[in-house]
Amino acid sequence: QVQLVESGGGLVKPGGSLRLSCAASGFIFRDYYMSWIRQAPGKGLEWVSYISSAGTSIYYADSVRGRFTISRDYAKNSLYLQMNSLRAEDTAVYYCTRGYISSWYDWGQGTLVTVSS
Amino acid sequence: QSALTQFASVTGSPGQSITISCTGTSSDVGSGNLVSWYQQHPGKAPKLIIYEVNKRPSEVSNRFSGSKSGNTASLTISGLQAEDEADYYCCSYVGIRNSWVFGGGTKLTVL
Repeated sequence: QVQLVESGGGLVKPGGSLRLSCAASGFIFRDYYMSWIRQAPGKGLEWVSYISSAGTSIYYADSVRGRFTISRDYAKNSLYLQMNSLRAEDTAVYYCTRGYISSWYDWGQGTLVTVSS
Repeated sequence: QSALTQFASVTGSPGQSITISCTGTSSDVGSGNLVSWYQQHPGKAPKLIIYEVNKRPSEVSNRFSGSKSGNTASLTISGLQAEDEADYYCCSYVGIRNSWVFGGGTKLTVL
Protein backbone atom coordinates (compact mmCIF):
# COMPACT_ATOMS: atom_id res chain seq x y z
CA GLN A 1 0.00 0.00 0.00
CA VAL A 2 1.01 3.64 -0.37
CA GLN A 3 3.35 4.87 2.33
CA LEU A 4 4.76 8.35 2.83
CA VAL A 5 7.15 8.63 5.76
CA GLU A 6 8.47 12.05 6.72
CA SER A 7 11.60 12.71 8.73
CA GLY A 8 13.99 15.53 9.54
CA GLY A 9 11.83 17.69 11.78
CA GLY A 10 13.04 19.08 15.07
CA LEU A 11 13.88 22.20 17.06
CA VAL A 12 15.82 24.93 15.26
CA LYS A 13 16.65 28.53 16.12
CA PRO A 14 15.25 31.45 14.10
CA GLY A 15 17.37 31.96 11.02
CA GLY A 16 18.44 28.33 10.99
CA SER A 17 17.95 25.58 8.42
CA LEU A 18 16.39 22.14 8.25
CA ARG A 19 15.94 19.56 5.51
CA LEU A 20 12.81 17.45 5.55
CA SER A 21 12.67 14.11 3.77
CA CYS A 22 9.75 11.95 2.67
CA ALA A 23 10.33 8.31 1.77
CA ALA A 24 7.68 7.09 -0.67
CA SER A 25 6.71 3.49 -1.34
CA GLY A 26 3.84 1.43 -2.70
CA PHE A 27 3.44 3.37 -5.95
CA ILE A 28 5.39 4.51 -8.99
CA PHE A 29 7.00 7.63 -7.57
CA ARG A 30 7.83 9.24 -10.93
CA ASP A 31 4.19 9.19 -11.98
CA TYR A 32 2.82 11.46 -9.28
CA TYR A 33 2.75 15.11 -8.30
CA MET A 34 3.95 15.74 -4.75
CA SER A 35 3.44 18.57 -2.30
CA TRP A 36 4.32 19.69 1.20
CA ILE A 37 1.43 20.96 3.29
CA ARG A 38 1.82 22.24 6.82
CA GLN A 39 -0.32 22.81 9.90
CA ALA A 40 0.68 25.17 12.69
CA PRO A 41 -0.27 24.00 16.20
CA GLY A 42 -4.03 24.33 16.67
CA LYS A 43 -4.42 25.92 13.23
CA GLY A 44 -5.61 24.96 9.77
CA LEU A 45 -3.85 23.53 6.76
CA GLU A 46 -1.54 25.60 4.56
CA TRP A 47 -0.13 24.45 1.22
CA VAL A 48 3.64 25.08 1.09
CA SER A 49 5.17 23.76 -2.12
CA TYR A 50 4.51 21.53 -5.15
CA ILE A 51 6.67 19.61 -7.60
CA SER A 52 5.39 17.94 -10.75
CA SER A 53 5.89 14.29 -11.56
CA ALA A 54 8.83 15.07 -13.86
CA GLY A 55 10.20 17.76 -11.56
CA THR A 56 9.87 20.37 -14.28
CA SER A 57 7.21 22.50 -12.56
CA ILE A 58 7.79 23.80 -9.05
CA TYR A 59 5.58 26.21 -7.12
CA TYR A 60 5.79 27.83 -3.70
CA ALA A 61 3.45 29.65 -1.36
CA ASP A 62 4.25 33.35 -1.04
CA SER A 63 5.08 32.79 2.64
CA VAL A 64 8.04 30.52 1.86
CA ARG A 65 9.20 31.54 -1.63
CA GLY A 66 12.89 32.36 -1.65
CA ARG A 67 13.53 30.48 1.60
CA PHE A 68 12.32 26.92 0.90
CA THR A 69 13.37 24.58 -1.92
CA ILE A 70 11.47 21.44 -2.93
CA SER A 71 13.17 18.59 -4.77
CA ARG A 72 12.76 14.89 -5.50
CA ASP A 73 15.13 11.99 -6.04
CA TYR A 74 13.73 9.28 -8.33
CA ALA A 75 16.51 6.80 -7.50
CA LYS A 76 15.65 7.03 -3.80
CA ASN A 77 11.88 7.50 -4.24
CA SER A 78 12.15 10.50 -1.97
CA LEU A 79 10.81 14.03 -1.70
CA TYR A 80 12.69 16.80 0.11
CA LEU A 81 12.09 20.26 1.50
CA GLN A 82 15.14 22.40 2.23
CA MET A 83 14.08 25.13 4.64
CA ASN A 84 16.37 28.12 5.19
CA SER A 85 16.01 31.38 7.13
CA LEU A 86 13.42 29.76 9.35
CA ARG A 87 11.00 31.95 11.30
CA ALA A 88 8.79 31.34 14.31
CA GLU A 89 5.77 31.31 12.01
CA ASP A 90 7.20 28.30 10.17
CA THR A 91 6.54 26.20 13.28
CA ALA A 92 4.17 23.45 12.15
CA VAL A 93 3.65 19.81 11.36
CA TYR A 94 4.80 19.30 7.78
CA TYR A 95 2.96 16.68 5.73
CA CYS A 96 4.24 15.03 2.57
CA THR A 97 1.39 14.41 0.13
CA ARG A 98 0.93 12.79 -3.24
CA GLY A 99 -1.88 13.39 -5.67
CA TYR A 100 -3.04 15.50 -8.55
CA ILE A 101 -3.81 19.11 -9.36
CA SER A 102 -7.34 18.42 -8.15
CA SER A 103 -6.56 16.92 -4.77
CA TRP A 104 -3.99 15.45 -2.38
CA TYR A 105 -4.90 11.79 -2.16
CA ASP A 106 -2.34 10.40 0.29
CA TRP A 107 -0.67 11.99 3.29
CA GLY A 108 2.21 10.99 5.51
CA GLN A 109 1.98 11.10 9.30
CA GLY A 110 3.80 14.43 9.43
CA THR A 111 6.99 15.73 11.02
CA LEU A 112 7.05 18.57 13.54
CA VAL A 113 9.26 21.58 12.95
CA THR A 114 9.66 23.97 15.87
CA VAL A 115 11.42 27.30 15.35
CA SER A 116 12.30 28.84 18.67
CA SER A 117 15.24 30.40 20.46
CA GLN B 1 -3.96 34.57 -1.24
CA SER B 2 -6.64 34.63 1.47
CA ALA B 3 -7.95 31.41 2.94
CA LEU B 4 -11.33 30.14 1.82
CA THR B 5 -14.11 30.97 4.28
CA GLN B 6 -15.63 28.23 6.42
CA PHE B 7 -17.77 28.52 9.55
CA ALA B 8 -15.71 27.56 12.57
CA SER B 9 -18.08 24.93 13.90
CA VAL B 10 -21.23 22.95 13.23
CA THR B 11 -23.21 20.58 15.42
CA GLY B 12 -25.48 17.71 14.51
CA SER B 13 -27.21 14.72 16.04
CA PRO B 14 -26.74 11.09 15.06
CA GLY B 15 -28.78 10.28 11.96
CA GLN B 16 -29.16 13.89 10.89
CA SER B 17 -27.64 15.58 7.84
CA ILE B 18 -25.40 18.61 7.96
CA THR B 19 -23.83 20.83 5.32
CA ILE B 20 -20.49 22.62 5.57
CA SER B 21 -19.93 25.54 3.23
CA CYS B 22 -16.71 26.92 1.76
CA THR B 23 -16.73 30.33 0.12
CA GLY B 24 -14.01 31.63 -2.14
CA THR B 25 -13.76 33.85 -5.17
CA SER B 26 -14.00 33.62 -8.94
CA SER B 27 -10.24 32.97 -8.97
CA ASP B 28 -10.39 29.80 -6.92
CA VAL B 29 -13.62 27.96 -6.02
CA GLY B 30 -15.56 29.69 -8.77
CA SER B 31 -13.01 29.11 -11.51
CA GLY B 32 -13.42 25.39 -12.07
CA ASN B 33 -13.97 21.98 -10.53
CA LEU B 34 -10.73 21.62 -8.61
CA VAL B 35 -12.26 21.70 -5.13
CA SER B 36 -11.50 18.99 -2.61
CA TRP B 37 -12.48 18.22 0.99
CA TYR B 38 -10.46 16.63 3.79
CA GLN B 39 -11.43 15.08 7.10
CA GLN B 40 -9.02 15.27 10.03
CA HIS B 41 -9.44 13.52 13.34
CA PRO B 42 -7.45 14.83 16.34
CA GLY B 43 -3.78 13.93 16.14
CA LYS B 44 -4.17 12.31 12.73
CA ALA B 45 -3.22 13.26 9.19
CA PRO B 46 -5.97 14.64 6.95
CA LYS B 47 -7.86 12.23 4.72
CA LEU B 48 -9.27 13.04 1.28
CA ILE B 49 -13.05 12.55 1.19
CA ILE B 50 -14.17 14.53 -1.88
CA TYR B 51 -12.27 15.62 -4.99
CA GLU B 52 -13.22 17.58 -8.10
CA VAL B 53 -16.21 19.08 -6.27
CA ASN B 54 -18.36 15.95 -6.05
CA LYS B 55 -16.29 12.81 -6.64
CA ARG B 56 -15.67 10.37 -3.84
CA PRO B 57 -12.69 8.01 -3.43
CA SER B 58 -13.86 4.42 -3.51
CA GLU B 59 -13.10 3.83 0.15
CA VAL B 60 -15.12 6.82 1.38
CA SER B 61 -18.70 6.31 2.57
CA ASN B 62 -21.46 7.45 0.23
CA ARG B 63 -22.84 9.45 3.17
CA PHE B 64 -20.37 12.13 2.09
CA SER B 65 -21.26 14.27 -0.94
CA GLY B 66 -20.03 17.51 -2.46
CA SER B 67 -21.47 20.26 -4.62
CA LYS B 68 -20.71 23.77 -5.82
CA SER B 69 -22.64 26.86 -6.77
CA GLY B 70 -20.79 29.89 -7.99
CA ASN B 71 -17.98 30.71 -5.56
CA THR B 72 -19.29 28.44 -2.78
CA ALA B 73 -18.60 24.74 -2.40
CA SER B 74 -20.48 22.53 0.04
CA LEU B 75 -19.91 19.23 1.81
CA THR B 76 -22.96 17.33 3.00
CA ILE B 77 -22.77 14.47 5.48
CA SER B 78 -25.94 12.43 5.79
CA GLY B 79 -26.86 9.92 8.49
CA LEU B 80 -24.41 11.46 10.95
CA GLN B 81 -22.39 9.02 13.00
CA ALA B 82 -20.23 9.57 16.06
CA GLU B 83 -17.12 8.75 14.00
CA ASP B 84 -17.84 11.72 11.73
CA GLU B 85 -16.84 14.08 14.54
CA ALA B 86 -13.71 15.74 13.13
CA ASP B 87 -12.35 18.85 11.47
CA TYR B 88 -13.22 19.35 7.80
CA TYR B 89 -11.20 21.45 5.37
CA CYS B 90 -11.99 22.54 1.83
CA CYS B 91 -9.25 23.24 -0.69
CA SER B 92 -9.13 24.80 -4.13
CA TYR B 93 -6.48 25.00 -6.81
CA VAL B 94 -5.81 28.61 -7.85
CA GLY B 95 -4.75 28.34 -11.45
CA ILE B 96 -3.83 31.96 -11.99
CA ARG B 97 -1.34 31.75 -9.13
CA ASN B 98 -0.23 28.12 -9.47
CA SER B 99 -1.11 27.53 -5.84
CA TRP B 100 -3.61 25.83 -3.57
CA VAL B 101 -5.68 27.52 -0.87
CA PHE B 102 -7.41 25.86 2.07
CA GLY B 103 -10.40 26.91 4.12
CA GLY B 104 -9.91 27.67 7.79
CA GLY B 105 -11.63 24.43 8.76
CA THR B 106 -14.97 23.50 10.32
CA LYS B 107 -15.17 21.50 13.51
CA LEU B 108 -18.07 19.05 13.41
CA THR B 109 -19.48 17.95 16.75
CA VAL B 110 -21.91 15.04 16.86
CA LEU B 111 -24.00 15.25 20.03
